[in-house]
Amino acid sequence: AQTVTQSQPEMSVQEAETVTLSCTYDTSESDYYLFWYKQPPSRQMILVIRQEAYKQQNATENRFSVNFQKAAKSFSLKISDSQLGDAAMYFCAYRSDGAGNNRKLIWGLGTSLAVNP
Amino acid sequence: NAGVTQTPKFQVLKTGQSMTLQCAQDMNHEYMSWYRQDPGMGLRLIHYSVGAGITDQGEVPNGYNVSRSTTEDFPLRLLSAAPSQTSVYFCASSYRAGGGYTFGSGTRLTVV
Repeated sequence: AQTVTQSQPEMSVQEAETVTLSCTYDTSESDYYLFWYKQPPSRQMILVIRQEAYKQQNATENRFSVNFQKAAKSFSLKISDSQLGDAAMYFCAYRSDGAGNNRKLIWGLGTSLAVNP
Repeated sequence: NAGVTQTPKFQVLKTGQSMTLQCAQDMNHEYMSWYRQDPGMGLRLIHYSVGAGITDQGEVPNGYNVSRSTTEDFPLRLLSAAPSQTSVYFCASSYRAGGGYTFGSGTRLTVV
């Protein structure tokens, strides 16, 4: 079964600095998708970035980028020029490319990010 | 474009009561699911559906029922509420392929 591990329960960063959140996963599949979700205090789950495993190019979305290392099963999120609004819980998630129950998301336990002014 | 609409946002139930959490999406997504979020346990899948008329159990289905009579709606029923069902519940939907999920705003349920 697939698992997702976020080894940093809490992190902090100074405003305008860069921070990297770690995520590792375990799978025997070759085709899958990886996601980072943000959950601010409002509790809304917001998709930050998505990566297809078959793509070697790392996904980017404005100030957010990932370092996807397929062989190492690592999927870290880099936030550049951190802003106060980036303070949130960040979840890493895995989704199989298979059918049925395999389409469910496998979640890490999250990293709480604080942004210091 | 409303996305995923979840109601209610807050609910307090007494043990043994039943209720239905509503979820509707207007994006023609085939895949819909219900998660519960508990501190220290992340998000856990309760039930999911891959299309109208098709539902299946997730990791923690006991005490919950679902149905999917239309593509748009995927209600979650608590049959007889228990304090262990105190949680935040999320409905989410996506396309069949590996698209990202769109989440509703969540329901904070307290069972006393």
